[in-house]
Amino acid sequence: GESVGLHLPTLSVQEGDNSIINCAYSNSASDYFIWYKQESGKGPQFIIDIRSNMDKRQGQRVTVLLNKTVKHLSLQIAATQPGDSAVYFCAENILSASKIIFGSGTRLSIRP
Amino acid sequence: EPEVTQTPSHQVTQMGQEVILRCVPISNHLYFYWYRQILGQKVEFLVSFYNNEISEKSEIFDDQFSVERPDGSNFTLKIRSTKLEDSAMYFCASSEDHGGVKLFFGSGTQLSVL
Repeated sequence: GESVGLHLPTLSVQEGDNSIINCAYSNSASDYFIWYKQESGKGPQFIIDIRSNMDKRQGQRVTVLLNKTVKHLSLQIAATQPGDSAVYFCAENILSASKIIFGSGTRLSIRP
Repeated sequence: EPEVTQTPSHQVTQMGQEVILRCVPISNHLYFYWYRQILGQKVEFLVSFYNNEISEKSEIFDDQFSVERPDGSNFTLKIRSTKLEDSAMYFCASSEDHGGVKLFFGSGTQLSVL
């Protein structure tokens, strides 16, 4: 069954503020957790991943945190810009399964 | 930057008809996928494909669905007899890593079954 889901369907933030998008998972067997971004009319776009034996990983303006104790994943976007407006999906991967499973998306909107 | 291309962008068909959705993955990628997304819902896994074989498929991918890599560049999804509930956006993706963590998606084909 589905094991990846998001806490909130929508998030509105002020331009320039930090955004935090949360995700809960239930499958402890996942090898990787991944964040994808989907802009209107486009396919999902890879943002960042984190291996299950890590608790934090940073990219350009983004940080992913993994809390295995409470099975929680978050994506932090620093200094949110209008171009960050999109639906964000968390996803999980079991390497041997050759697929990723997407959770429900969170729509991020930016207030000017 | 290399990208996955999908054709057509929109496909309208009558229920019961066969459709073929086409994809050109990124040239040096070896792993290929089809996903679909019903409007406003999550992205659902259909099938993964490697070395001319299906690696994994979901419950959605029943006998009405098939995939093929007919030549060195194209990757196709065929639905033999479309149903109304097949209406969705179909995304092709490819990756260079085994296990498929970082997937590159095309812009999708919107399939409408009437």
